[in-house]
Amino acid sequence: AQSVTQPDIHITVSEGASLELRCNYSYGATPYLFWYVQSPGQGLQLLLKYFSGDTLVQGIKGFEAEFKRSQSSFNLRKPSVHWSDAAEYFCAVAASGGSYIPTFGRGTSLIVHP
Amino acid sequence: NAGVTQTPKFQVLKTGQSMTLQCAQDMNHEYMSWYRQDPGMGLRLIHYSVGAGITDQGEVPNGYNVSRSTTEDFPLRLLSAAPSQTSVYFCASSYLAGGTDTQYFGPGTRLTVL
Repeated sequence: AQSVTQPDIHITVSEGASLELRCNYSYGATPYLFWYVQSPGQGLQLLLKYFSGDTLVQGIKGFEAEFKRSQSSFNLRKPSVHWSDAAEYFCAVAASGGSYIPTFGRGTSLIVHP
Repeated sequence: NAGVTQTPKFQVLKTGQSMTLQCAQDMNHEYMSWYRQDPGMGLRLIHYSVGAGITDQGEVPNGYNVSRSTTEDFPLRLLSAAPSQTSVYFCASSYLAGGTDTQYFGPGTRLTVL
């Protein structure tokens, strides 16, 4: 079974600074990978996903993520953070063969200082 | 196009009471899922459905029942509420299996069991 780890519970950055949120997965083959964002009091919204092809994936709101097979990672990045990016971010992984049920990480809370 | 709707938004129950959380989607998605979100635990899958008349258990199914009589609706039933079921519940839908496609989430139901 697949698993996913988000090592950072909280990340604090200043507005305008760059951001990287870490995600590590465990799965024998190439997984399906997702990043979702949850604003306070809201449901989750997809930022981006990776299934195959180019390992650098562009998403909405200026986010990108890079799939690194050798490191089993799918880190989320943004070059310049806005105050509206303050939210909870979830990485999810699904097996590319099997039931395709996604497993979510525990989330990283992003705090943005003005 | 309302997307995924959930009712109620908030609910307080006493131990032993039963209730149904409603979920509906208007996107003609075959796949629907129920998750619970607890602090520090991320999202955990309770039950899911791959189409009308077909449901299956997720990671934490105990104490919950589901049915899928139509494509649009996927209610979650708590048979005898327990304090351990205090959580935020999210319904999600997708055109393809949740691990291979974008999942669309409802706004959530915050349930407190006293």
